[in-house]
Amino acid sequence: GAGVSQSPRYKVAKRGQDVALRCDPISGHVSLFWYQQALGQGPEFLTYFQNEAQLDKSGLPSDRFFAERPEGSVSTLKIQRTQQEDSAVYLCASTPDYQETQYFGPGTRLLVL
Amino acid sequence: AQSVTQLGSHVSVSEGALVLLRCNYSSSVPPYLFWYVQYPNQGLQLLLKYTSAATLVKGINGFEAEFKKSETSFHLTKPSAHMSDAAEYFCAVLSSGTYKYIFGTGTRLKVLA
Repeated sequence: GAGVSQSPRYKVAKRGQDVALRCDPISGHVSLFWYQQALGQGPEFLTYFQNEAQLDKSGLPSDRFFAERPEGSVSTLKIQRTQQEDSAVYLCASTPDYQETQYFGPGTRLLVL
Repeated sequence: AQSVTQLGSHVSVSEGALVLLRCNYSSSVPPYLFWYVQYPNQGLQLLLKYTSAATLVKGINGFEAEFKKSETSFHLTKPSAHMSDAAEYFCAVLSSGTYKYIFGTGTRLKVLA
């Protein structure tokens, strides 16, 4: 079946621009996670949804980062007024339940100039 | 707090040689443990996971890992490296009752012809 998909795969933004990153989880997966992966590092947790409820946003680096999943399926990670330090790969993962194996999408590589 | 340490950010082996990638975790309670592989410009793919059923875990592509509680280790091995194994490998830990994966910083495996 279809895996987790993310779009766009690559995004170049000028500093100060707003960006929106999309994640389509595996159909029926209740839990959805966003991670930030800086160059040469492992993924770091940003936020967690169970259905449409955002249960944990403790990893969001600043109030410029905002995530939503209004209908409990597709999720969008929005970054306002992008800064150079926001340059990273943003990974989305979904799972049938919160403690199950997470299935990752291919990521969106964001470059802020 | 939970942490994961991967010793060696870069490992080189000859084709056909043993692959050994090291992972140590910090936890007073045996957690769930995972190894993921990441090929260039792709998301993370699950290689194997430990969930307390058996200490020796077999995964895809001939990889296996052994959970050693006394050493708090979960090293990844493969008897004979193939060129196609060249990738970045991440160890991750998930504490029981939680949903946050904690990833190591990754080990880039290079396979020499």
